[in-house]
Amino acid sequence: AQSVTQLGSHVSVSEGALVLLRCNYSSSVPPYLFWYVQYPNQGLQLLLKYTSAATLVKGINDFEAEFKKSETSFHLTKPSAHMSDAAEYFCAVSYSGGYQKVTFGTGTKLQVIP
Amino acid sequence: SAVISQKPSRDICQRGTSLTIQCQVDSQVTMMFWYRQQPGQSLTLIATANQGSEATYESGFVIDKFPISRPNLTFSTLTVSNMSPEDSSIYLCSVVSGQGYNEQFFGPGTRLTVL
Repeated sequence: AQSVTQLGSHVSVSEGALVLLRCNYSSSVPPYLFWYVQYPNQGLQLLLKYTSAATLVKGINDFEAEFKKSETSFHLTKPSAHMSDAAEYFCAVSYSGGYQKVTFGTGTKLQVIP
Repeated sequence: SAVISQKPSRDICQRGTSLTIQCQVDSQVTMMFWYRQQPGQSLTLIATANQGSEATYESGFVIDKFPISRPNLTFSTLTVSNMSPEDSSIYLCSVVSGQGYNEQFFGPGTRLTVL
């Protein structure tokens, strides 16, 4: 069975500050890991994904995440928050071998304070 | 990538009625999925819809309540039947694409309110 845990349902940062959204996973086999963003009244958009290549993954809008097997983590970071980053962020886990069911975390709502 | 559209984008319905949600993809895809996102919650997979076969439902979801059609490789519908206020959610269609099936694309969602 696979699962993800996102620490903090709400995170507030000041504009220009570091963004850190936490995600820990549980998987019995090597995982694929994803971060999705959902802007208000929109569907989900893939930010970045880890599929067993480089452990530091860069995504759109200067977001990046690092896969740490020893910590079973895949935290999302961005050096400098922008007002347009205010959205809900979902971590998700799957694994390799054709299509495998994706399990989503409960989401973290990011607020950016001007 | 895949571009997905959904109709309607939102609706307000009376309890006991049914609503059919349409999902259109701009390319042929094998696997399509329907998710529910209840207010303040994460996404829950309702079913997987493959063209030419019966939809596969997740635990807690049944065909009588959520019948799904998949007539071709670019289109699917989800019906929410005999609705109650507990069915008020966002319903999202998604597809997988990309090498290894590890990239999932989502439609904009249908926001349903049941009174």
